[in-house]
Formats: sequence, C-alpha cells, structure tokens
Amino acid sequence: NAGVMQNPRHLVRRRGQEARLRCSPMKGHSHVYWYRQLPEEGLKFMVYLQKENIIDESGMPKERFSAEFPKEGPSILRIQQVVRGDSAAYFCASSPVSSQPQHFGDGTRLSIL
Amino acid sequence: SQQGEEDPQALSIQEGENATMNCSYKTSINNLQWYRQNSGRGLVHLILIRSNEREKHSGRLRVTLDTSKKSSSLLITASRAADTASYFCATDEKGWKAAGNKLTFGGGTRVLVKP
Repeated sequence: NAGVMQNPRHLVRRRGQEARLRCSPMKGHSHVYWYRQLPEEGLKFMVYLQKENIIDESGMPKERFSAEFPKEGPSILRIQQVVRGDSAAYFCASSPVSSQPQHFGDGTRLSIL
Repeated sequence: SQQGEEDPQALSIQEGENATMNCSYKTSINNLQWYRQNSGRGLVHLILIRSNEREKHSGRLRVTLDTSKKSSSLLITASRAADTASYFCATDEKGWKAAGNKLTFGGGTRVLVKP
C-alpha cells in the first residue's frame, strides 16, 4: 500500500510564476490536509479537504493560494504569482477518517528565485 | 508562546542514553500525537495519546500526558544513532467545528544521538 505521494519533490519558480503542488493520498483515505513548514520550524496548518469539498481553509492566505481535491485525481495546492516568502516545504497528509492519525508525504520543497 | 511548544529545542546524547523531551499546549484537546521527522523527509507518526489517558508505551517510546498542566513528555529509552531526528508534538483542538483532525505543531526538538 503506497504512502502519501507528493510531487514534485523540489520545485523552483521565479517571482510572479505559478506553483502547482500535487498530493495523492493513501488508498482509502478521503481526508487530505496541507501544511507549510519554514526552516527550523514546525508545520503550520493551511487547509483541510474531503473529496470535492474544502472543509477548513483558515490557515491558508486569502490571496494567491487555492486548494482542491477533485472527485478523481490528486489534491492540488496552487500558488499564483509566487513571492520569495512562499519558499518553504509544503506537506500533504491524509487519513481514512478524521479521528485517525495522519500519514504524511515527503513534501514539496518550493524555492522562489 | 504557541500551542504545542517543545522543550528543549535541541538535545545531544550518547547512544544508549535516554532522551526526554516535553511539550506544552494551551487549549483543550482531544488527543496529542508525537511525530518524528528525519532531515528532508516527511513526518512519521510515532504515538497518539487521548485526553483521557495518562501514559502510553510503544516499544522504546513512553509518552505521558498531564491535561491539568497541559503538558506531555516523550521518552526514548536506549537511544540509537538512527533516532537522530526532529521530534514534534501535535494537538487537535477540542470542539473544532469541522470535527476533523487539524493539527497544531510545536517547533520541535532536534535530537542528535552520537554513536
């Protein structure tokens, strides 16, 4: 049973470009969470999704950031018009039900030039 | 301070010694979890302790929870070089409207186990 798959592992963008981060949850998991981690810090919650629904996006900046988890396919975290401050590691986690421990992917490290 | 603060921030020990790290939090919680993160990797779930539990064991790991003090500790016994990693506690807030498992992480304890 494959774990949570994130791609790409590393992404380099220039300021003003768009970044798309993908996350395929573990098989049978319908709850997806996105977190952001700055160097030497813990993870910060961004958004919680179930299939086709955003349940809580209280941790996500209101502008430039969006997330989706379509009926078919991976969850996508999209950052438009990236700025230097968006440089971070972005982690996706999934769980089968909301009360179970979350399983994390290895993250996407986003670097903004 | 933030929800889920770990103490100490960094810990250096010899192989075979025990490693203890603490976590404090601010709100009422449903459960508290500990995760390990190796450099450049994602988080690996270690252990979950529910708010009505006081102590839990898993292999060389021992976790305690004191809800009156809003604190938890993680003990790794007989440490190995492979235990070198960052350790994070994470809490989920009681009464979160979405009834999901939104986790709040502390800043982590970086543990170095020297062979």
